Amino acid sequence: KAGVTQTPRYLIKTRGQQVTLSCSPISGHRSVSWYQQTPGQGLQFLFEYFSETQRNKGNFPGRFSGRQFSNSRSEMNVSTLELGDSALYLCASSLGQGKAYEQYFGPGTRLTVT
Amino acid sequence: GENVEQHPSTLSVQEGDSAVIKCTYSDSASNYFPWYKQELGKGPQLIIDIRSNVGEKKDQRIAVTLNKTAKHFSLHITETQPEDSAVYFCAAVYSGGGADGLTFGKGTHLIIQP
Repeated sequence: KAGVTQTPRYLIKTRGQQVTLSCSPISGHRSVSWYQQTPGQGLQFLFEYFSETQRNKGNFPGRFSGRQFSNSRSEMNVSTLELGDSALYLCASSLGQGKAYEQYFGPGTRLTVT
Repeated sequence: GENVEQHPSTLSVQEGDSAVIKCTYSDSASNYFPWYKQELGKGPQLIIDIRSNVGEKKDQRIAVTLNKTAKHFSLHITETQPEDSAVYFCAAVYSGGGADGLTFGKGTHLIIQP
């Protein structure tokens, strides 16, 4: 069974631009969560989607948004990029909603903001 | 919200020896505790998890213990091998609902010396 895939793997953007990242979950998984990983803050929860609805949200500004499609694929958007948004963005999929289910991570998208 | 402390930040052990990584959590409601292994350039890989109704769980050379009273849990790796070298993260979450995803520790860089 194929794992979680994320595209693109690497991205370079300029301050003020916006970016969209994509995540395809493991086949059969309906929940997708997004995390930001930086050397200083570590792994931080952004949001979770289940059945095309945002179910949970972490403590990030409104510039960070996402959505989920009927096939469970998810996209994450960051508007008005700041230098501090440079990070590895990880998505994780799980069978069901919530944290009771094991989450499996993709390889991440490395975003660099210049 | 939940806060997870992880120690040590770096751990160097001789090949064949055991390694122990410890985490403490703050929210007594947390009831699911996964451990992830992250290799360079890859996303975190779920290696073992434990739920609050269990005190210990083993999977070959890996074991996790949980002390709910003290609010700490530990990862034990026996007979370490070079391929165990990676960054290990512990996490905690309350699976019954709420707005938070997994809360991660800051990670332990495990180095296996040949």
